[in-house]
Amino acid sequence: DVKVTQSSRYLVKRTGEKVFLECVQDMDHENMFWYRQDPGLGLRLIYFSYDVKMKEKGDIPEGYSVSREKKERFSLILESASTNQTSMYLCASSFWGDGTGELFFGEGSRLTVL
Amino acid sequence: AQSVAQPEDQVNVAEGNPLTVKCTYSVSGNPYLFWYVQYPNRGLQFLLKYITGDNLVKGSYGFEAEFNKSQTSFHLKKPSALVSDSALYFCAVRERGSARQLTFGSGTQLTVLP
Repeated sequence: DVKVTQSSRYLVKRTGEKVFLECVQDMDHENMFWYRQDPGLGLRLIYFSYDVKMKEKGDIPEGYSVSREKKERFSLILESASTNQTSMYLCASSFWGDGTGELFFGEGSRLTVL
Repeated sequence: AQSVAQPEDQVNVAEGNPLTVKCTYSVSGNPYLFWYVQYPNRGLQFLLKYITGDNLVKGSYGFEAEFNKSQTSFHLKKPSALVSDSALYFCAVRERGSARQLTFGSGTQLTVLP
């Protein structure tokens, strides 16, 4: 089974702190994604990556950055956390192949910014 | 651009009755369509996908979905609901040949009443 592991299930941070969310997948997938989930808004794409050191902005990249130094690891960085970044963050990965592959999700990281 | 609409925030159904969770999509070309389920404080789990071929797709846990190109819909169905089906359901779309990421709907909370 594909396993996508997010390093922290629950985090509490203060406004202005730098926050790192780590994600590791074990299936050699090319694509990795960071979404945030908010009630009534569904999942919104922050950033994604289709190769090592490659990144693409999603729909809501402002206030976030990402890093992909190794194929299996994709990190989301909040340079200076703000209260409006309180949310559930979901990491996902997928095999590209013929483009039909589904996404596999981690368990999520619930971030609270005080 | 690709988008998804889930017109119902909440669907209630009695145990043993058939259930339908609605989804419509918009893409410039042809779609790949997906359904996911999320249980409380968990990541998303893949249920089924439409790639091509038969318009009726069967997936996990007895769920199925019907692709209707003329109505641009991909409704999720189950003939007989279980209390354990109560969860949050997301529809997602990827435009064939052009996008790596999935675009998700806002989600529908399904409650199956005993």
